Amino acid sequence: DAKTTQPPSMDCAEGRAANLPCNHSTISGNEYVYWYRQIHSQGPQYIIHGLKNNETNEMASLIITEDRKSSTLILPHATLRDTAVYYCIVRADYSGGGADGLTFGKGTHLIIQP
Amino acid sequence: EAQVTQNPRYLITVTGKKLTVTCSQNMNHEYMSWYRQDPGLGLRQIYYSMNVEVTDKGDVPEGYKVSRKEKRNFPLILESPSPNQTSLYFCASSWDRAEGYTFGSGTRLTVV
Repeated sequence: DAKTTQPPSMDCAEGRAANLPCNHSTISGNEYVYWYRQIHSQGPQYIIHGLKNNETNEMASLIITEDRKSSTLILPHATLRDTAVYYCIVRADYSGGGADGLTFGKGTHLIIQP
Repeated sequence: EAQVTQNPRYLITVTGKKLTVTCSQNMNHEYMSWYRQDPGLGLRQIYYSMNVEVTDKGDVPEGYKVSRKEKRNFPLILESPSPNQTSLYFCASSWDRAEGYTFGSGTRLTVV
């Protein structure tokens, strides 16, 4: 699976849109981009995933560049409860046997300021 | 409520005393997985299961066993726990491997 690069931390004001970038310049054609978040020591929470089209759900929007080398997770109206570590994960949509786990890097610690 | 339930939430045990951490999901998911989380190492997969009676090793399977006798349950077994298995453990499930996973609340295990 391709590696991802995320800023270690970001601040955002409450009520504003939080835009979290992720670089995945070595992504392959069959690899999806997933976003999860983890609020201190709780189980990770799935947010959204996509292949090449932009995606939106009730939690967030995912914008993937046309060359697929980077993406942005957008939380449209951030609240204090959105303070968490956000993980961008790239993963192929197949199982070839053996280890197939999600590779969680260090992520971005997003802090929502009141 | 759709959820993944792990028990216990906290456990302190002694080296060598066999233990089982249970995981149950009520979403009829076929795919289930166990992870451990350690400071500086992130989450690492221990074992996963594609369906009943189908299990496979993840990145760090040594010292662990699993079983999948029925779809909803995926227990993690430590036959002879050691202090290096002190960690925060998460169970996860999904419709299939490509979909988003639902994680449990975690089990904090301390082996002394």
